[in-house]
Amino acid sequence: DQQVKQNSPSLSVQEGRISILNCDYTNSMFDYFLWYKKYPAEGPTFLISISSIKDKNEDGRFTVFLNKSAKHLSLHIVPSQPGDSAVYFCAAENYGGSQGNLIFGKGTKLSVKP
Amino acid sequence: DVKVTQSSRYLVKRTGEKVFLECVQDMDHENMFWYRQDPGLGLRLIYFSYDVKMKEKGDIPEGYSVSREKKERFSLILESASTNQTSMYLCASSDRGLRQETQYFGPGTRLLVL
Repeated sequence: DQQVKQNSPSLSVQEGRISILNCDYTNSMFDYFLWYKKYPAEGPTFLISISSIKDKNEDGRFTVFLNKSAKHLSLHIVPSQPGDSAVYFCAAENYGGSQGNLIFGKGTKLSVKP
Repeated sequence: DVKVTQSSRYLVKRTGEKVFLECVQDMDHENMFWYRQDPGLGLRLIYFSYDVKMKEKGDIPEGYSVSREKKERFSLILESASTNQTSMYLCASSDRGLRQETQYFGPGTRLLVL
């Protein structure tokens, strides 16, 4: 059973507009969430994270929102640029014992058109 | 700056061959991970290690083994490669014992098994 879900496999946005990528999770014990960006033939790169004690975290053009009651988070990119075209993975930390693992969603492919 | 390197970017092997994928990190991280990424399936955890000579199975360990003889190096072994192991393999590392830790990924190895 998928604990982290990205229900949109793809998203297409015009340059300069807002991109909104969504992620849902099922485990209420998750308390730390991350977004990674991945270009083809490269490893994922860390983008932004949020702790469950916050409902918003902002870093430049990227903002992550967390709605704990809905078990939903979203990544907003404003304004979107063609270089943002990539696959975006949402991940949640599954912490147990002395180490933490990440559980990833299946990813959303973002295409930003000039 | 965290650096995770993987021994090969592209690899072509034949069915039944033994395959070694090497990963090295230079940040003295305790935790190291091996994932595979397949279209539509996201990142799936194969094995992880939280200390030298320690290993834990992830979600899909069948057909794989790992070795962690030195802190900076984590090897993934395909004992007898099969065509369904054709995939992108990603190595990652993170600090140990820290909540809300970020995993840093290598560039990936694209393996084709013929």
